[in-house]
Amino acid sequence: GAVVSQHPSRVICKSGTSVKIECRSLDFQATTMFWYRQFPKQSLMLMATSNEGSKATYEQGVEKDKFLINHASLTLSTLTVTSAHPEDSSFYICSARRQGTSKNTEAFFGQGTRLTVV
Amino acid sequence: AQSVTQLGSHVSVSEGALVLLRCNYSSSVPPYLFWYVQYPNQGLQLLLKYTSAATLVKGINGFEAEFKKSETSFHLTKPSAHMSDAAEYFCAVTSFYSSASKIIFGSGTRLSIRP
Repeated sequence: GAVVSQHPSRVICKSGTSVKIECRSLDFQATTMFWYRQFPKQSLMLMATSNEGSKATYEQGVEKDKFLINHASLTLSTLTVTSAHPEDSSFYICSARRQGTSKNTEAFFGQGTRLTVV
Repeated sequence: AQSVTQLGSHVSVSEGALVLLRCNYSSSVPPYLFWYVQYPNQGLQLLLKYTSAATLVKGINGFEAEFKKSETSFHLTKPSAHMSDAAEYFCAVTSFYSSASKIIFGSGTRLSIRP
């Protein structure tokens, strides 16, 4: 099956610094990638939809200046948490869906990134 | 608009017993439905998906789910629980029509298995 690679799997950063998380589709092209945030023992909350070559679409309540998304190629999307604070500590997961076919509408998920801001 | 509701945040069954995890969906367009499993500190793994072909869908690890349009349900079952099934399970919905459509998740059900 298709593979989505997310890096890093775990990161600890100091408050006020920025952290970049990468999401790569390894064996398929993805015009659209999704970024989710998951709090402990809760579901995945969609943060934004990342569109190759254009601006990301953010969900209501998600600060676009706080969570910068760049989708520079058909296989890579990045999420940068700017000026991180302890409340940004969470599990971030990306997903990608195959481009251009209705037969493969499932999303493939990265392994997740555990961000801890100290 | 689309949404899913998972009934029961925590389900506990004995090893060897039937597993039933409930999911009801709401969708203004024909839905694609999924069940994902998540183990601690890991991403999501697809168990099975409904894509408008057969209404009874078989997935990995002995799981299956039945799409019932009249009941707007997509419940997940497994005849005999195994200890390794203990995990968090998420039901999800997206649009049939577009691979760019959002995937919306339910709140999740934690499955515990008693020895």
